[in-house]
Amino acid sequence: KAGVTQTPRYLIKTRGQQVTLSCSPISGHRSVSWYQQTPGQGLQFLFEYFSETQRNKGNFPGRFSGRQFSNSRSEMNVSTLELGDSALYLCASSSYSGGANEQFFGPGTRLTVL
Amino acid sequence: QQQVKQSPQSLIVQKGGISIINCAYENTAFDYFPWYQQFPGKGPALLIAIRPDVSEKKEGRFTISFNKSAKQFSLHIMDSQPGDSATYFCAASYTGGFKTIFGAGTRLFVKA
Repeated sequence: KAGVTQTPRYLIKTRGQQVTLSCSPISGHRSVSWYQQTPGQGLQFLFEYFSETQRNKGNFPGRFSGRQFSNSRSEMNVSTLELGDSALYLCASSSYSGGANEQFFGPGTRLTVL
Repeated sequence: QQQVKQSPQSLIVQKGGISIINCAYENTAFDYFPWYQQFPGKGPALLIAIRPDVSEKKEGRFTISFNKSAKQFSLHIMDSQPGDSATYFCAASYTGGFKTIFGAGTRLFVKA
């Protein structure tokens, strides 16, 4: 089985712009979670989607949003980018929703905001 | 209550030695405690996980020890190898919680 894929792998944007990141989960997995990883804050949970429904959201401003499509692929969007949004954005898929089970991570999208 | 505290931040171990990383949690609803390993440029990968109904789980050179009463769990890497040099994250989640809380991570360096 192919692993979790994320596109693009690297992205450079300027402040005020918006960005859309994409994640394709492992075939058959219906749960997709997004995390922000920074040296200072570690891995921070952004949101989880299951069957196109957002099940939980972390403590991030409304500029961060996401969605999931009927084929389980997911996108996250960050509007009005700030310098502090520079981070590695990781997507993880799981066959079950609700936590308490193994997550498979993609390689991440490295976002740099100038 | 949602935090998972991990220590140490960094660890240097000689080849063949034992690496020990500790984590503590507050939320007694947590019922799944995984450890993830991350190499530079890669996403985290599940190493080993435990549920609170057992006190220890071993997979090869990796062992999780779990102390429910103390709300602590730890990862032991026996016979540490240079290839084990990576960042390790403990985590916790609970059924129906729809999120996983990660510790801050431990950078392990195994000296040859």
